[in-house]
Amino acid sequence: GEDVEQSLFLSVREGDSSVINCTYTDSSSTYLYWYKQEPGAGLQLLTYIFSNMDMKQDQRLTVLLNKKDKHLSLRIADTQTGDSAIYFCAESQRDDKIIFGKGTRLHILP
Amino acid sequence: NAGVTQTPKFRILKIGQSMTLQCTQDMNHNYMYWYRQDPGMGLKLIYYSVGAGITDKGEVPNGYNVSRSTTEDFPLRLELAAPSQTSVYFCASSQKQGLKQETQYFGPGTRLLVL
Repeated sequence: GEDVEQSLFLSVREGDSSVINCTYTDSSSTYLYWYKQEPGAGLQLLTYIFSNMDMKQDQRLTVLLNKKDKHLSLRIADTQTGDSAIYFCAESQRDDKIIFGKGTRLHILP
Repeated sequence: NAGVTQTPKFRILKIGQSMTLQCTQDMNHNYMYWYRQDPGMGLKLIYYSVGAGITDKGEVPNGYNVSRSTTEDFPLRLELAAPSQTSVYFCASSQKQGLKQETQYFGPGTRLLVL
């Protein structure tokens, strides 16, 4: 199948780290992406990782890729209220499609 | 650059009406995509195009048509609107060369309500 799976909700206290997980099925995926969607807005690319990399760090964001298990994660350090959004995992497939997960809604607790 | 622009922002249709959702990008990207996002759900690919004159079906193409006569424009046509087509529609574009796929840029979305 072409499914990209992620949990639907995550609650994290302000200042803690958030870890959003994703699994995908296409082993030929070349790029994997994390997008952020704030209420009423379109999707904004946060970061992406090429399939031959294990890790990518960009300021507060760390992406980990386990290609053997087809598992991708996004870690947000020092989570802030502005990080409250829906986070989508996506994979690019060899037939040029980009398949999105259903999104993880990140809720920040005070 | 304006990026990816979509019109209209919001539209209400009656069942059976038709309309065209417009999408334009000024980044000279070769790839363009149409997605729909239903409430509380992720994105579903409707159609995509790898270049002018070429279009392909995505996951949920039924009830829609597209054309790509120019690099810049990728309109999405609904011929006989149905309540199941109530959704938010996002257009996106990207540049792909060989195996290297650049990131997708998204438009702001078109909210469609079919009554």
